[in-house]
Amino acid sequence: EAGVTQSPTHLIKTRGQQATLRCSPISGHTSVYWYQQALGLGLQFLLWYDEGEERNRGNFPPRFSGRQFPNYSSELNVNALELEDSALYLCASSLVQDHEQYFGPGTRLTVT
Amino acid sequence: EDQVTQSPEALRLQEGESSSLNCSYTVSGLRGLFWYRQDPGKGPEFLFTLYSAGEEKEKERLKATLTKKESFLHITAPKPEDSATYLCAVRGATNKLIFGTGTLLAVQP
Repeated sequence: EAGVTQSPTHLIKTRGQQATLRCSPISGHTSVYWYQQALGLGLQFLLWYDEGEERNRGNFPPRFSGRQFPNYSSELNVNALELEDSALYLCASSLVQDHEQYFGPGTRLTVT
Repeated sequence: EDQVTQSPEALRLQEGESSSLNCSYTVSGLRGLFWYRQDPGKGPEFLFTLYSAGEEKEKERLKATLTKKESFLHITAPKPEDSATYLCAVRGATNKLIFGTGTLLAVQP
């Protein structure tokens, strides 16, 4: 069974630009979660999508946004990039909201 | 506010030297405590879910236990391939998964 996939693996952007990160969940999983893991910090919850709707978001500014498509894949958009947005962005999926989450390999975003 | 604290931050063991990692938590309405393993530059790998005090789960050399305030991940006779960062997370009434900062485990041959 294929796991959670993310693309691209690495992304280099300049401050002020926009970044788009993509995630495909495990087949049959309807919930998708996004996390930020900055160097030296724990995983910080960003967004949760389920059945195409945003269900919850963490303490991040509105320039972090996303969506979930009818096939349950998801996209994370980060506008007006700042240097401190440099981090590993992880996507996870679960069968239902109370179940364990399975993570993808992440997208390493570097803002210069 | 839901909070997770893991200790120690780093742990170095000799191969075969058993030990325990600690995860202390405060959460309103625990809906699950999760253990993950993360290798450098990779996404976390799911290990265990615990739902209620007294519950225990085992997988190979790992055993997770849960009380009302903390969870332990016991590692029996570790091998070098067990070296990784071990993450603990809780889900409470907000339904958000709150992670600790992890314990970096190094097992030397």
